Amino acid sequence: QKEVEQDPGPLSVPEGAIVSLNCTYSNSAFQYFMWYRQYSRKGPELLMYTYSSGNKEDGRFTAQVDKSSKYISLFIRDSQPSDSATYLCAMSSHSGGGADGLTFGKGTHLIIQP
Amino acid sequence: DSGVTQTPKHLITATGQRVTLRCSPRSGDLSVYWYQQSLDQGLQFLIQYYNGEERAKGNILERFSAQQFPDLHSELNLSSLELGDSALYFCASSVVGVSTDTQYFGPGTRLTVL
Repeated sequence: QKEVEQDPGPLSVPEGAIVSLNCTYSNSAFQYFMWYRQYSRKGPELLMYTYSSGNKEDGRFTAQVDKSSKYISLFIRDSQPSDSATYLCAMSSHSGGGADGLTFGKGTHLIIQP
Repeated sequence: DSGVTQTPKHLITATGQRVTLRCSPRSGDLSVYWYQQSLDQGLQFLIQYYNGEERAKGNILERFSAQQFPDLHSELNLSSLELGDSALYFCASSVVGVSTDTQYFGPGTRLTVL
């Protein structure tokens, strides 16, 4: 079992729809959860950053973490064609003083149809 | 533009060869992370340097090595290249050097091994 599982898609939805993207993970030590957006042939760009369980909202984006279920979600409201990209979840177990890289899901390819 | 630069953008080489990828972090960032992104494995952490010192190792092969120089730029050396090393290689930088820092990714170097 991989540490982080993410449906690769593609997920195709009409413009204006609410999009739900999800990841599950197996390592209960993960405490820090991130969502990155990656356009084709570009580097990943950080969208959302959440510590432990709970919700975080930023504009049209909402990130949810349920540590009891080892499940994280990213919701995109009023989706736009410019949101078409690959969305990567990422996680880490270390807080200040620790050092390691992020563990990524493989990414979900999202297509917003005009 | 994240402020992280990587050169070259594309690299085509043959099996058995050695290549060097270069990364310049954002101004003020002391930490550099290297990641490999392939279709089958996704984005995987290779190695981290902080202020010139190796800080963490991920799934980095023995044929690969890296260093960070006094001016904080970093190089990733890949030797005895195999077809399976063909991938996108990303560099990311952060201020302090823990994975919970916001990591800013460069545009990547696309390596093709023929």
